[in-house]
Formats: sequence, structure tokens, C-alpha cells
Amino acid sequence: QQQVKQSPQSLIVQKGGISIINCAYENTAFDYFPWYQQFPGKGPALLIAIRPDVSEKKEGRFTISFNKSAKQFSLHIMDSQPGDSATYFCAASKTSGSRLTFGEGTQLTVNP
Amino acid sequence: DTAVSQTPKYLVTQMGNDKSIKCEQNLGHDTMYWYKQDSKKFLKIMFSYNNKELIINETVPNRFSPKSPDKAHLNLHINSLELGDSAVYFCASSQDHGGRRQYFGPGTRLTVT
Repeated sequence: QQQVKQSPQSLIVQKGGISIINCAYENTAFDYFPWYQQFPGKGPALLIAIRPDVSEKKEGRFTISFNKSAKQFSLHIMDSQPGDSATYFCAASKTSGSRLTFGEGTQLTVNP
Repeated sequence: DTAVSQTPKYLVTQMGNDKSIKCEQNLGHDTMYWYKQDSKKFLKIMFSYNNKELIINETVPNRFSPKSPDKAHLNLHINSLELGDSAVYFCASSQDHGGRRQYFGPGTRLTVT
């Protein structure tokens, strides 16, 4: 079963706009929520991560918003740039676990 | 220095053949993983090793066999290749076996004809 659901599947944004990607999870034992960025022909790379004791984490133009009661978290990319065009994956894991559970991925295209 | 490296980058082979993909990490991590990424980009974990011990073995055909000669290496051997095995295979490593911050290799694109 898909424990982490991600939307949208694809997203097109104009340069300078805000990109928003959403994820929802089912397992309340999850306590670590990273986002990975994957460029074509490359492996995924950790972009930013959050733990459920905070509602927001910001690193440069990238912000994770976390809603524990709704079991949802989202990635916001401010001032989106063509260089941000990539596939983004949300994920979740739990302290007692041994794996990351990935969402289905969102292909982001930022038009110049 | 490449943190997680895989060879080969591309692998084209015929159905029925046996092939191997090699992975090495120089990060000193204890845990390594193999993932399969299909044409829809979905990342599916296949195996995980912690200090050479198998800790995750997802429901994959037993034609797939991982081998970890030491904690810096995790190789993937595939017997009797099938068309459906065509995908990009990623190796990854992490310091902890909780799999939190994972470092991925560049991937091996396997094409079975």
C-alpha cells in the first residue's frame, strides 16, 4: 500500500512563481519527513527535511510546511528558477524503522 | 571524490542473460540500499544491508541477489534477465540504519532487449 501520497504528478510554473508540492501520509509513527530533488540522469539528493515537532522549516527559497493533525506536509519553492526544474520526492521514516517510504514524485518544470 | 559510485552507468543486455551492478561508498556509512526506479520515476526499495547484514529484503524475484563483501560495497546480481527488469537502479548509503539521510549514487540504466 502507498503510505505516502504525493501530488501533483507534474507542475509547470513560471520563473519567479511559487511551486507547491503536497504530500500526505498514513502512518502516525513517521517522525522524519525529507524532500529529495532529482535532476535528469542523476540520483536523488536530500534537499530539506523536517521533524514533526515544528510546523515549518525554511532553507533559502525552500520551505517545508508540516501539519501533524492533518498528516500532511508540503514543499514550497519561492521565486522558482529554471534551474529548479527536476523531480521532487517527499518521503517519510520512523525512528524504529529501517527505510524511507517515498511518494510517487512530482516533475517540476519552471519556464523562463 | 564521488561519495557513492556505481558501475556501469549503462547496461544493455538480452533477455536471459545474467548481469551485475557494483556499488561502492566512501562515506564510511554502515547501511547501503538498492532501489529500482521505473519509467514513471517511482522509487522502490529492494534491499538494505547494515554492516554486511541483510535487513530489508522486499518482495523482489529471487533472480535478484545482493552481495555485500564489506560495508563499503553492495553489489546486485541479476539472473535470467527479463524485459520487466528494465529500469534505473540506484545504490544509496546512510550513516544510520534508520535510513534517514540517504546518499544516492548516479544510477545504472538497465535495458533488457
